[in-house]
Amino acid sequence: AQSVTQPDIHITVSEGASLELRCNYSYGATPYLFWYVQSPGQGLQLLLKYFSGDTLVQGIKGFEAEFKRSQSSFNLRKPSVHWSDAAEYFCAVGALDSGAGSYQLTFGKGTKLSVIP
Amino acid sequence: ETGVTQTPRHLVMGMTNKKSLKCEQHLGHNAMYWYKQSAKKPLELMFVYNFKEQTENNSVPSRFSPECPNSSHLFLHLHTLQPEDSALYLCASSRGVDNEQYFGPGTRLTVT
Repeated sequence: AQSVTQPDIHITVSEGASLELRCNYSYGATPYLFWYVQSPGQGLQLLLKYFSGDTLVQGIKGFEAEFKRSQSSFNLRKPSVHWSDAAEYFCAVGALDSGAGSYQLTFGKGTKLSVIP
Repeated sequence: ETGVTQTPRHLVMGMTNKKSLKCEQHLGHNAMYWYKQSAKKPLELMFVYNFKEQTENNSVPSRFSPECPNSSHLFLHLHTLQPEDSALYLCASSRGVDNEQYFGPGTRLTVT
């Protein structure tokens, strides 16, 4: 079965600073990869996705992510953070689960982002 | 606004009550999902419906009973819940089971 690791539970950055949120996955092949954002009391909003092709994907709200097969990583980046970006960010891996025999979407535990004005 | 709505947004119920959560998607999707989100735990998939047929039940206790009358509506019927069932319950939908999922705002459930 696939797994997702988000090593950072909580990150604090200053407004205007750059941001990188880490995501590593474990899977025998190339999975589908996603980043979601969740504001307090809200559902998850899809930021971007990677299925195939160009390994640098652009998403909404100025976010991008780069798939690196050699590192099994899919890190999320933003060049300049805004106060409204404060939220929790979830990386997710979609892949065929051999145990379940079906496609499964597996989420990381999330990284909470705080932004200092 | 993702095109997935959930009602109610907040629910407080006693352990002997029966209540239902409702989810509706306006995206023309064929697959719908229930997830449970508890504090300090990863998102837990509960049920998957694809073309109204249940395809996944991730060892969910029988006090949670899903219903999918059509591809646009999904219910989660609750009865004799436990305090540890208090959580945010999220509904999601996708075009197919291997496409990106779109989430509703969730129902914050508190079991007293």
